[in-house]
Amino acid sequence: DGGITQSPKYLFRKEGQNVTLSCEQNLNHDAMYWYRQDPGQGLRLIYYSQIVNDFQKGDIAEGYSVSREKKESFPLTVTSAQKNPTAFYLCASSITPSPYQPQHFGDGTRLSIL
Amino acid sequence: KQEVTQIPAALSVPEGENLVLNCSFTDSAIYNLQWFRQDPGKGLTSLLLIQSSQREQTSGRLNASLDKSSGRSTLYIAASQPGDSATYLCAVRPDAGGTSYGKLTFGQGTILTVHP
Repeated sequence: DGGITQSPKYLFRKEGQNVTLSCEQNLNHDAMYWYRQDPGQGLRLIYYSQIVNDFQKGDIAEGYSVSREKKESFPLTVTSAQKNPTAFYLCASSITPSPYQPQHFGDGTRLSIL
Repeated sequence: KQEVTQIPAALSVPEGENLVLNCSFTDSAIYNLQWFRQDPGKGLTSLLLIQSSQREQTSGRLNASLDKSSGRSTLYIAASQPGDSATYLCAVRPDAGGTSYGKLTFGQGTILTVHP
């Protein structure tokens, strides 16, 4: 089935460690997005990519990095510079970057600090 | 700065009741508004997308309306069922150009419980 796959479902980070969250889609979508969800705060945009080899910062990019080397993959690295990484991370995609297209979401990765 | 508010924060209703969830936004310059459903510990499922030029969209027992000039949207659920229990989120796509291009601005959600 076509969809967005995020892995792992749960991830634990030690102090000073970088961790990478995987997001893969087989929908042939051009645009991909990363959001962070905190309790009671809704979702906030971290990074987005309109096309391969391109990405833009969202509202809360500090402490995060991304790459878009393949159309189907948009991994997010949470670096040690992100001091409050505990959250639910959601990856999304849309068929084109057009603002008229809906965004579709994966099932998320929950990141916690050890 | 665009802000999205959802009222009520939580709602509990008996099965079979018709209900309305509310979403308001502060800046009417939007491309569209999207309603999502989120089950506990899961991602978001897109329910309805209303473009700024549209007044409403329907899918099964769901009907969403949009009044862009007043900054309001409602999600109407007919004949509610226990399986409708979830958090419902609305999000707007700001028409502000630049770095806002890719962004959805979300409300905090309404937690709906439908009891048998």
